[in-house]
Amino acid sequence: DAGVIQSPRHEVTEMGQEVTLRCKPISGHDYLFWYRQTMMRGLELLIYFNNNVPIDDSGMPEDRFSAKMPNASFSTLKIQPSEPRDSAVYFCASSGQGYEKLFFGSGTQLSVL
Amino acid sequence: SQQGEEDPQALSIQEGENATMNCSYKTSINNLQWYRQNSGRGLVHLILIRSNEREKHSGRLRVTLDTSKKSSSLLITASRAADTASYFCATDEGSNYQLIWGAGTKLIIKP
Repeated sequence: DAGVIQSPRHEVTEMGQEVTLRCKPISGHDYLFWYRQTMMRGLELLIYFNNNVPIDDSGMPEDRFSAKMPNASFSTLKIQPSEPRDSAVYFCASSGQGYEKLFFGSGTQLSVL
Repeated sequence: SQQGEEDPQALSIQEGENATMNCSYKTSINNLQWYRQNSGRGLVHLILIRSNEREKHSGRLRVTLDTSKKSSSLLITASRAADTASYFCATDEGSNYQLIWGAGTKLIIKP
């Protein structure tokens, strides 16, 4: 298995633009997590899905953030409109054991200018 | 989200030496996990220890858990340059799959 695949690896955009981050989890994993990592706040859980259904989105910072999982092999995290404070590394992780043994993607480094 | 506490924040040792990092948490847990993050990469799961376990080994890794002190330690023996990374602990203290992550220990192995 290729592991969790995220795209793009790097994204540079201007304030106000829409940003879409993509994730392909490991086949067979029924949990998918979106995390954000910054130096100041560390790792923050934004949202997680179980069997494609969003379970807890309490970590989504604002209505500007939205996430979807239309099928078991694909998820998106969208920021519209983007702001400089959204600059961070966004990780997608999947698991076949709930919150035990998460497999992380390589992340998307987002820079909002 | 809340953060567990790890110490030290940074650790620099010579190749071949042992590296020990610690993690403390606040409330009761079912399990505690350790992850490694190489620069510019995602986190990689290293080991999980359950609350009824006191010690666990995996290769050169040794993890201990002291639930009375609410703390865990990760020992890497005979360190190698490739062990240079940040190491994070994560507990299931949170509700609804909110893992509580430590701030991480940055380990540098000098050749």
